[in-house]
Amino acid sequence: GENVEQHPSTLSVQEGDSAVIKCTYSDSASNYFPWYKQELGKGPQLIIDIRSNVGEKKDQRIAVTLNKTAKHFSLHITETQPEDSAVYFCAASRGNAGNMLTFGGGTRLMVKP
Amino acid sequence: NAGVTQTPKFQVLKTGQSMTLQCAQDMNHEYMSWYRQDPGMGLRLIHYSVGAGITDQGEVPNGYNVSRSTTEDFPLRLLSAAPSQTSVYFCASTPGTGPYEQYFGPGTRLTVT
Repeated sequence: GENVEQHPSTLSVQEGDSAVIKCTYSDSASNYFPWYKQELGKGPQLIIDIRSNVGEKKDQRIAVTLNKTAKHFSLHITETQPEDSAVYFCAASRGNAGNMLTFGGGTRLMVKP
Repeated sequence: NAGVTQTPKFQVLKTGQSMTLQCAQDMNHEYMSWYRQDPGMGLRLIHYSVGAGITDQGEVPNGYNVSRSTTEDFPLRLLSAAPSQTSVYFCASTPGTGPYEQYFGPGTRLTVT
């Protein structure tokens, strides 16, 4: 089955700096790669996703890049703010029945004011 | 819409006890799933359902049972709780096949002593 590895497990940045989180996956048939943000005491919430026919996608301060050949994808957050502090999860899926996701281990991002 | 709701929010069980974690969604989503979240391991799929009357196993199904008698509800049953089942449990729903966003509930924190 699919295996998703995520690095780093913790990341501390100064407010205004950029943050990058990286994930690798093993299943070459995976074609959907979402990123979820989880705030303390809440369930994960989708912040951005990318499909395999696209190399990069941006949404304001958040961007995701995908390298299918190398089987890795990354989340980039620019101009970080304290409210970006949370746990971020990458995931991969074949996009088939039920869209069942395989998650990475998570990254705790701390943005220091 | 309330989205995905879960009850209870917290639960403490003794080894060998049974209980049911409740999950409901009011978005008329076909697909529902249960994940468990353990430190450093991301979210792992327990069971999922592609529609009323249809369920299947995920990555870590042992010790858990599910059923889906209605579109709205997807309860998770622990027949004989074990300390290894101490975790945070999330229910999620998604509209259907393909790479759609998964909507997560707020979670149930379960401790088995």
